[in-house]
Amino acid sequence: GAGVSQSPSNKVTEKGKDVELRCDPISGHTALYWYRQRLGQGLEFLIYFQGNSAPDKSGLPSDRFSAERTGESVSTLTIQRTQQEDSAVYLCASSAGGGGGRYNEQFFGPGTRLTVL
Amino acid sequence: AQSVTQPDIHITVSEGASLELRCNYSYGATPYLFWYVQSPGQGLQLLLKYFSGDTLVQGIKGFEAEFKRSQSSFNLRKPSVHWSDAAEYFCAGGTPAGKSTFGDGTTLTVKP
Repeated sequence: GAGVSQSPSNKVTEKGKDVELRCDPISGHTALYWYRQRLGQGLEFLIYFQGNSAPDKSGLPSDRFSAERTGESVSTLTIQRTQQEDSAVYLCASSAGGGGGRYNEQFFGPGTRLTVL
Repeated sequence: AQSVTQPDIHITVSEGASLELRCNYSYGATPYLFWYVQSPGQGLQLLLKYFSGDTLVQGIKGFEAEFKRSQSSFNLRKPSVHWSDAAEYFCAGGTPAGKSTFGDGTTLTVKP
């Protein structure tokens, strides 16, 4: 596709349920990021994938959060036993990788709005 | 630690006035630097980027930013603000060896 896509665009779930959020990066992009953005807040870094390297999970807020990426393609963010404080917009971004500034320019998806009731 | 700092949480300017949003970075080497804008209810859009070379970079929507190594800054400027510029602005930086990091953002309010 032309850009980063995320699905679903909106997700309403009940407290305690598990959810999976999907991100399709731009084809050929080796780096992928997940962020959380609570209402009126900034970007909270969650996890970073770069090629075949071990992911940087330093931003995951608890062990209820996990993410996987298949090669250099789709990524899934899973939140287990959701809590009301998990309600936020979850943003995915990808970047090209390789040398030069292209490595760092991030292209964002439209986000998934998660509401935990 | 490598980081980007936006000292101003909220800025209010009058329509037609000039604007400067501050961004300071802390990296061992010259980072790649970016400014993104997020309009209410919208996704993040890249305004401009600095990789190397000319320290004054031009972006979209009439924005520019100047890289100043001596001050470790990459401030965003616009000569005349429009009401549609009201948004959240994020500065970001990174190096080839590591991931990019974002500042906490600056909320811009434009008074009529």
